Amino acid sequence: DTAVSQTPKYLVTQMGNDKSIKCEQNLGHDTMYWYKQDSKKFLKIMFSYNNKELIINETVPNRFSPKSPDKAHLNLHINSLELGDSAVYFCASSTRTGGGGTPLHFGNGTRLTVT
Amino acid sequence: AQTVTQSQPEMSVQEAETVTLSCTYDTSENNYYLFWYKQPPSRQMILVIRQEAYKQQNATENRFSVNFQKAAKSFSLKISDSQLGDTAMYFCAFMKSQGGSEKLVFGKGTKLTVNP
Repeated sequence: DTAVSQTPKYLVTQMGNDKSIKCEQNLGHDTMYWYKQDSKKFLKIMFSYNNKELIINETVPNRFSPKSPDKAHLNLHINSLELGDSAVYFCASSTRTGGGGTPLHFGNGTRLTVT
Repeated sequence: AQTVTQSQPEMSVQEAETVTLSCTYDTSENNYYLFWYKQPPSRQMILVIRQEAYKQQNATENRFSVNFQKAAKSFSLKISDSQLGDTAMYFCAFMKSQGGSEKLVFGKGTKLTVNP
């Protein structure tokens, strides 16, 4: 019973291609996120959605477009992939029910390699 | 802007011994939350411990405990009786509310190796 699942686990593609990463959570959370972990293991938030509404957009290039069809899903589409997009992308979810400060639950990550 | 600093890029400890990982943060807020996450080689991000800034009592979870010094903006993690399975990257993180969601700001991590 996976809590936050993302697919694919690995993605290898060429520069210029368009690709998508899917994320689903079955925790009943109302907020979902995308984080990027670079080659030095640094994790940085990209986007957050609350009940399908974009809340945080952290100076991410327009080539990255998140889409949330419902509050259990948050997909990430990347256009015109560049070498610098190679990273591990983590989906996460949380809830604000009962107040703030609830931990984020992370998926297992998608390792994207652009050649 | 909030920043989180982990000054030890790498550490090692012998099995069964105790190790402390350092973390400092910078914020002007009074109410916030702090976390330690563990990332083993499997790449999973696993919650280790959570601390509420308005609680003076240090959080503990089995062999893991924190030393939270709010005035000094310090949040160190102590691992007692280290086990081989504790080998992982450890990330300190600061949480703030932004709009209708929470935002986790991570430190750069400390790579911990537990030696047999």
